Amino acid sequence: EAGVAQSPRYKIIEKRQSVAFWCNPISGHATLYWYQQILGQGPKLLIQFQNNGVVDDSQLPKDRFSAERLKGVDSTLKIQPAKLEDSAVYLCASSNLGESSKNIQYFGAGTRLSVL
Amino acid sequence: AQRVTQPEKLLSVFKGAPVELKCNYSYSGSPELFWYVQYSRQRLQLLLRHISRESIKGFTADLNKGETSFHLKKPFAQEEDSAMYYCALSPEASGGSYIPTFGRGTSLIVHP
Repeated sequence: EAGVAQSPRYKIIEKRQSVAFWCNPISGHATLYWYQQILGQGPKLLIQFQNNGVVDDSQLPKDRFSAERLKGVDSTLKIQPAKLEDSAVYLCASSNLGESSKNIQYFGAGTRLSVL
Repeated sequence: AQRVTQPEKLLSVFKGAPVELKCNYSYSGSPELFWYVQYSRQRLQLLLRHISRESIKGFTADLNKGETSFHLKKPFAQEEDSAMYYCALSPEASGGSYIPTFGRGTSLIVHP
C-alpha cells in the first residue's frame, strides 16, 4: 500500500511569513495526526483528526497554527505568522479504526521547516 | 498528565553486546505502549507494541505496570540496529480518542 505522503520535504522562510504543509494519509485511514518534532526531542502531537472532525488540538498554538481536513482525507497545516521557534520537522501520521490496529501510526517522511 | 521518559539520549554498544533501552511512563489508567524506530534517512515506523507480545528483529519489551516501565531489550546487538528509538504511549479511550505521547528518543549506536 502507498504510505503517508507529505509535501514539501523542505521549506525555508523568514519569520513572520506564512507556510502550509500538506499530508495525504494511507487510503482508508480515518485518523490523521500532525506532530511537531524539534531537534533533539520526540514528536509532540499538535492535532488529531478522526475523519473530518478534530479529536484533540490542545497542544496546537491556535493564535498562529491552523489545520483542516475538510473531506476527511488529506489535510493541511498552516502557520501564520511563523516564529523562529517554529523551526522543526512537521510529521503527519495516520491510523485506521480496526480494533486490532487502531493505535498503530504510519508516518510520513516529514517536512523540515527552517525559519530565519 | 501522561508522560513518557527515556532517560538516555545516547546508548553506545559493541556488536554482540546486550542492549536495553529504558522507558518509563506516567499514566493513571491502562495505556498501550509502543516502540517506534527511525533508521537513518527513513521514516519513523512501528517496531513493536506491548499487546502483541512478540519479538521483532530480536527485540522484546515487557510492560511492567508496577514499575511503570516498558524497556526494550535485545540480547545481541547488530550494527543494523543503529537507529533512533522512541517509546510512545497511547492512553485508553476517552470519548473515542487515543492521544499519543512520545518520549524524546534514544539514539542507539552499535559499533563493529
